Amino acid sequence: AQSVAQPEDQVNVAEGNPLTVKCTYSVSGNPYLFWYVQYPNRGLQFLLKYITGDNLVKGSYGFEAEFNKSQTSFHLKKPSALVSDSALYFCAVRPEGKLIFGQGTELSVKP
Amino acid sequence: EAGVAQSPRYKIIEKRQSVAFWCNPISGHATLYWYQQILGQGPKLLIQFQNNGVVDDSQLPKDRFSAERLKGVDSTLKIQPAKLEDSAVYLCASSLSTGPYEQYFGPGTRLTVT
Repeated sequence: AQSVAQPEDQVNVAEGNPLTVKCTYSVSGNPYLFWYVQYPNRGLQFLLKYITGDNLVKGSYGFEAEFNKSQTSFHLKKPSALVSDSALYFCAVRPEGKLIFGQGTELSVKP
Repeated sequence: EAGVAQSPRYKIIEKRQSVAFWCNPISGHATLYWYQQILGQGPKLLIQFQNNGVVDDSQLPKDRFSAERLKGVDSTLKIQPAKLEDSAVYLCASSLSTGPYEQYFGPGTRLTVT
């Protein structure tokens, strides 16, 4: 079965420190990969995507993600976390057709 | 540019009642999606439309859920009759088409079935 795993339910980071939110997937073929962020009582917002090409993709709000084909991973990163980055982050993959979401990782950035 | 609009934002009903949700996608977006997001989980696709045709409804519980997208613009999702396990946030999203395009999500409708 095709699936997306976000191994950490919660990630805690101090403001100014680098952050990483992990994502691994198990799908056939060469999927498109996405990261979305969800703030309380709001819909999901697109952060970035990987379609093809350079393994490091840059997105909104200073976020970037690294695609690793051999490890089937697509980890989200940011060099310096802000308190305002605190939110729920979802990794999603699209092997063909529909988007498959991970269960989400709650990111908490403390001052 | 206006985002994806959904209404109502909140709805509380009793089990066995019916409910309908409305979605208006971003202008010019051919593809429209309905997702169910249960607390603590990622969104799960219920149905995908391309213009006014259904592309994927494999995870839609067709005995109680129905959806339509007349005229290829706005869409309604209906549940009849509702069950307790239908309590969730129902998200509508749209994208330019079915290619490698990001989806834009509405704020969602939080449904509570008592």
